[in-house]
Amino acid sequence: AQKVTQAQTEISVVEKEDVTLDCVYETRDTTYYLFWYKQPPSGELVFLIRRNSFDEQNEISGRYSWNFQKSTSSFNFTITASQVVDSAVYFCALSDNSNSGYALNFGKGTSLLVTP
Amino acid sequence: DAGVTQSPTHLIKTRGQQVTLRCSPKSGHDTVSWYQQALGQGPQFIFQYYEEEERQRGNFPDRFSGHQFPNYSSELNVNALLLGDSALYLCASSLVFRSSYEQYFGPGTRLTVT
Repeated sequence: AQKVTQAQTEISVVEKEDVTLDCVYETRDTTYYLFWYKQPPSGELVFLIRRNSFDEQNEISGRYSWNFQKSTSSFNFTITASQVVDSAVYFCALSDNSNSGYALNFGKGTSLLVTP
Repeated sequence: DAGVTQSPTHLIKTRGQQVTLRCSPKSGHDTVSWYQQALGQGPQFIFQYYEEEERQRGNFPDRFSGHQFPNYSSELNVNALLLGDSALYLCASSLVFRSSYEQYFGPGTRLTVT
């Protein structure tokens, strides 16, 4: 069963627009971790944020913010005032104590294109 | 502070051949994980090494094997290459004793099997 769902395959916005990337996860564990990674065209995955299951406090880092809601099993990512440099594929990932220990289970990613 | 490094950057192999990919973890990290990322997909976990032993394994056949050295660096070996093995292979390092299991990724090795 798919553990992380990123329903948005591609999103295109104009620079300075706000954009939200959705992530829905599934786990039976009470202790788990959620992540967002950015993958620019160069291919390297860049860590953005980690959130554990016991901390539902939303977080803001500059233009980035994350909304974690256990009630809906969602961990959405919002970019405020998007910039061309934000163009990349964004992955949401879940880490729990499943068959593969705490390995990262990634969604299929959302490709974000920000045009001038 | 050196990040995760991988070599080679690109590799072209013929079906049936064997390949070895290499990874050096971020300074201070002792755990290495390998992921396979097919085109247009999210990375998939292959296995994880800690203290020179395979600790966790994803749903990959035995053709995929690995090794971790005393300096924490790691190798991924793939035998009897199939066309479907063409992918970006990502190495990630972490400090296993940190509860967050935060993983930092290298730039990847692009493997093409013809």
